[in-house]
Amino acid sequence: TQLLEQSPQFLSIQEGENLTVYCNSSSVFSSLQWYRQEPGEGPVLLVTVVTGGEVKKLKRLTFQFGDARKDSSLHITAAQPGDTGLYLCAGSSWGKFQFGAGTQVVVTP
Amino acid sequence: NAGVTQTPKFRVLKTGQSMTLLCAQDMNHEYMYWYRQDPGMGLRLIHYSVGEGTTAKGEVPDGYNVSRLKKQNFLLGLESAAPSQTSVYFCASSIQGGETYNEQFFGPGTRLTVL
Repeated sequence: TQLLEQSPQFLSIQEGENLTVYCNSSSVFSSLQWYRQEPGEGPVLLVTVVTGGEVKKLKRLTFQFGDARKDSSLHITAAQPGDTGLYLCAGSSWGKFQFGAGTQVVVTP
Repeated sequence: NAGVTQTPKFRVLKTGQSMTLLCAQDMNHEYMYWYRQDPGMGLRLIHYSVGEGTTAKGEVPDGYNVSRLKKQNFLLGLESAAPSQTSVYFCASSIQGGETYNEQFFGPGTRLTVL
């Protein structure tokens, strides 16, 4: 059972455009994390959000945790080719993580 | 620090063969995890461990066994491989679990093909 739904599954944009990836769940999580994975490598943590309504910024990336701690979004401003990768959200509950299926982002020059 | 390492990186098995995947971490982390990643499915938890000598089932444990005899090592075994176990396997570790949030550090993965 996939508790975390990510949308869209695939996103292809031109360099300089903005994009938003969504992560939705019917469950409440104690925290939610966003990872980026490049081909042939393991996921690497980008950010952890803990508090409902929390907004975190990491350079051109903005992460938001929903008020009810069931959903999150990742917004990239002025995307660059280096942002290409598989973006995964993961909800944490009692030390275990539930992952979404991921959003493949491709940024072309 | 090497972080999380996995061996082997690639393996091809025939149906019915057995093998063990080794995960090692040098960060003194308490929690370790084994995931499999399949196209369109994301990462699914197979087994995990909350400390040396302990193991627990995750979301998809059938066909796999694990052991955590030493804190730094977490082994994943396939006793009788099946084509459905063709996947990329990732090991991860984290400082602790429970209700406190913590970062998982992932290994580079093992690509397993079962013919």
